[in-house]
Amino acid sequence: GAVVSQHPSRVICKSGTSVKIECRSLDFQATTMFWYRQFPKKSLMLMATSNEGSKATYEQGVEKDKFLINHASLTLSTLTVTSAHPEDSSFYICSATPWTGNRRDNEQFFGPGTRLTVL
Amino acid sequence: GENVEQHPSTLSVQEGDSAVIKCTYSDSASNYFPWYKQELGKRPQLIIDIRSNVGEKKDQRIAVTLNKTAKHFSLHITETQPEDSAVYFCAARILDQFYFGTGTSLTVIP
Repeated sequence: GAVVSQHPSRVICKSGTSVKIECRSLDFQATTMFWYRQFPKKSLMLMATSNEGSKATYEQGVEKDKFLINHASLTLSTLTVTSAHPEDSSFYICSATPWTGNRRDNEQFFGPGTRLTVL
Repeated sequence: GENVEQHPSTLSVQEGDSAVIKCTYSDSASNYFPWYKQELGKRPQLIIDIRSNVGEKKDQRIAVTLNKTAKHFSLHITETQPEDSAVYFCAARILDQFYFGTGTSLTVIP
């Protein structure tokens, strides 16, 4: 199956700093990628849809100035948590759905996740 | 967006018994329903999926049923094994977005 990577896998930072998380589709092009946040023993919450070459679409309640998303190429999307605070500590997962010709495949492939801890 | 509810939140079964997890969704425009298995600290893995034009799908010990009229779909695991223990999530896709259920923590007791 298709492979999605995320970097870093784990990051610890001080309160007030910004953290960038990368999501890459390794063997397919993804015009759209998704960013999720997952709390311990909780479900995945869709934060935003990252669109290549255009602005991301944020879900209700997600601060776009807090969680900056850039989708500069067909294989890379980045999520930057700006001025991180302890309440931003969480497991962040990206996913991507392959674009096959003129039809988007239904299946989405997840990255391995990034554990963010803000001290 | 779509609202997906999942029940039960925890489920314990004896090895060899069956497990059933149920989900409901709110938007009739949802057309694709995957199920994911997630082990602690790892990424969700797709285990089975069903499209809105199909009522049932089976893959070895795993099956999924979909009732479009009632807007609910279920995961069935038969002959459960200890390695089936994990958190299971249902999801519904509408347009490009996937919305997840709240998860079911399944424990299979040897």
